[in-house]
Amino acid sequence: GENVEQHPSTLSVQEGDSAVIKCTYSDSASNYFPWYKQELGKGPQLIIDIRSNVGEKKDQRIAVTLNKTAKHFSLHITETQPEDSAVYFCAATGGGADGLTFGKGTHLIIQP
Amino acid sequence: KAGVTQTPRYLIKTRGQQVTLSCSPISGHRSVSWYQQTPGQGLQFLFEYFSETQRNKGNFPGRFSGRQFSNSRSEMNVSTLELGDSALYLCASSLLTAATNEKLFFGSGTQLSVL
Repeated sequence: GENVEQHPSTLSVQEGDSAVIKCTYSDSASNYFPWYKQELGKGPQLIIDIRSNVGEKKDQRIAVTLNKTAKHFSLHITETQPEDSAVYFCAATGGGADGLTFGKGTHLIIQP
Repeated sequence: KAGVTQTPRYLIKTRGQQVTLSCSPISGHRSVSWYQQTPGQGLQFLFEYFSETQRNKGNFPGRFSGRQFSNSRSEMNVSTLELGDSALYLCASSLLTAATNEKLFFGSGTQLSVL
């Protein structure tokens, strides 16, 4: 089955700086890569996703890049704000029987 | 549009008991998936239902089961509870089956504690 590795587990950045979270996946058949943000006491919220036929996607301050050859994808958050503080999860799936396979999460801390 | 609704929000059970969790998907969504979230194992896929049929199942023992009703609402059941079943159980809905890589929308979860 799919295996997703996510780094770093904790990331602390100054408000206004950029944050980058990286994930690698193992199954070359995976073709859908969503990112979720989870705040305390809430369920994961989809913030951006990318499919394997696209190399990059951007939505305001958030962008995701995908390198199919290297089997890795990254989340980029620019001009970080206090409300960006949360746990971020990457995930991958090929649409098969295993559902979404999630990374272990990155706790993003925005320092004022 | 209302989001995914899970009830109850918190649940405390003892070992050996069974529990039923409920999930109401976003209106119009026909697929419901269940995930278990623990600090050690992270988010793990339990199963997915589409049009009242289980489409996919994760690597969990048979004590974990579910069903989906004609109105797309879903329930999951855990029998003979073990201490290790303590977790946040998350339900997610999507317009079509998740096998087509539809976006998943999660509820806030049911926090189950087994004593």
